[in-house]
Amino acid sequence: RKEVEQDPGPFNVPEGATVAFNCTYSNSASQSFFWYRQDCRKEPKLLMSVYSSGNEDGRFTAQLNRASQYISLLIRDSKLSDSATYLCVVIGANSGYALNFGKGTSLLVTP
Amino acid sequence: EPEVTQTPSHQVTQMGQEVILRCVPISNHLYFYWYRQILGQKVEFLVSFYNNEISEKSEIFDDQFSVERPDGSNFTLKIRSTKLEDSAMYFCASSEDTSTNEKLFFGSGTQLSVL
Repeated sequence: RKEVEQDPGPFNVPEGATVAFNCTYSNSASQSFFWYRQDCRKEPKLLMSVYSSGNEDGRFTAQLNRASQYISLLIRDSKLSDSATYLCVVIGANSGYALNFGKGTSLLVTP
Repeated sequence: EPEVTQTPSHQVTQMGQEVILRCVPISNHLYFYWYRQILGQKVEFLVSFYNNEISEKSEIFDDQFSVERPDGSNFTLKIRSTKLEDSAMYFCASSEDTSTNEKLFFGSGTQLSVL
């Protein structure tokens, strides 16, 4: 079983739509959770951390459900510039502090 | 904003050759990392480095790989005898400390092609 699993998509949505991505992780001992964004052939960039209480940053909302080992990212009012691959990242899935990446979910926002 | 710089941006090599990928982490950062991403695959951890020694490594990081901080600014990844399956984008990253691991800054990567 993969340690961090995501629906690869692609998700094709019109501008202004709301879209949600999900991620599951296999190791209940995992400690920290993040969403990164990766544009084509570029480096990953931190989008936001994910906390048990849920957190919001502008149009982006992240939630963590430790009992279900499930992480979500909600994007409201999608912009063309949101088109990218969204990477679910977990620390502590193996051991230590290495980031353990999911394969990513591809989002394409269309005019 | 400070950034991690990597050189070269592209490296083409013949199978069996040695390559050195170079990185300049952010100057006040103490923890350094190499990750790689094979085309179409997920980003994978290779190694972390702190206080002039490896602090953690993955099973990918076998005897063919080594890292070094030869001076106060550079952090290098050496692949001793490249294989076709080493073809990937290699990302260097740095952070101030592991408690702020989410503040990992990635370089723009070196695309390694092994022919």
